[in-house]
Amino acid sequence: DVKVTQSSRYLVKRTGEKVFLECVQDMDHENMFWYRQDPGLGLRLIYFSYDVKMKEKGDIPEGYSVSREKKERFSLILESASTNQTSMYLCASRGMTSVPYEQYFGPGTRLTVT
Amino acid sequence: DAKTTQPNSMESNEEEPVHLPCNHSTISGTDYIHWYRQLPSQGPEYVIHGLTSNVNNRMASLAIAEDRKSSTLILHRATLRDAAVYYCILRSNNNDMRFGAGTRLTVKP
Repeated sequence: DVKVTQSSRYLVKRTGEKVFLECVQDMDHENMFWYRQDPGLGLRLIYFSYDVKMKEKGDIPEGYSVSREKKERFSLILESASTNQTSMYLCASRGMTSVPYEQYFGPGTRLTVT
Repeated sequence: DAKTTQPNSMESNEEEPVHLPCNHSTISGTDYIHWYRQLPSQGPEYVIHGLTSNVNNRMASLAIAEDRKSSTLILHRATLRDAAVYYCILRSNNNDMRFGAGTRLTVKP
């Protein structure tokens, strides 16, 4: 079974702190994604990566950055956390070797910025 | 990017079929239609996908309109465990997938 793990299920940080959210997948997938989920807005794509050291902006990249130094790990960085970044963060990975190019999601990290 | 439109919520009775609609009037010829669902306190999971023909798998069926401007996810016998948010998504050639707000399905015993 594909496994996508996220470093924390719950996280509480203070405004202005630098926050790292880690995501690891064990299926040698090329693509990895970071989404945030807010009530009524569904999942919104923050950043994605097609391969190691590659990154692309999604729909809402402002206030975030990412790092992909190894194929299995994709990190989301909040340089200076703000209260409007309080949200559920979901990581996903996807292999490109076979249809349906299914995305596998982690359990999510609920981040609260106070 | 082609967008999808789904009802915010739907209700169903246990053991009855459920038809979840999705409109995608701006779909392009190469866009695949994907459905995912998100159970409470979990990340989304893949349900089914299709291009032009109707599709069946162990979880559900996907009926695609002839003009491809709409599709319907069919759960043949809803169970309480099917209560979730269902997302209809178009996957384009660049393989990006944008999730909307989805349809929250409530299943009543």
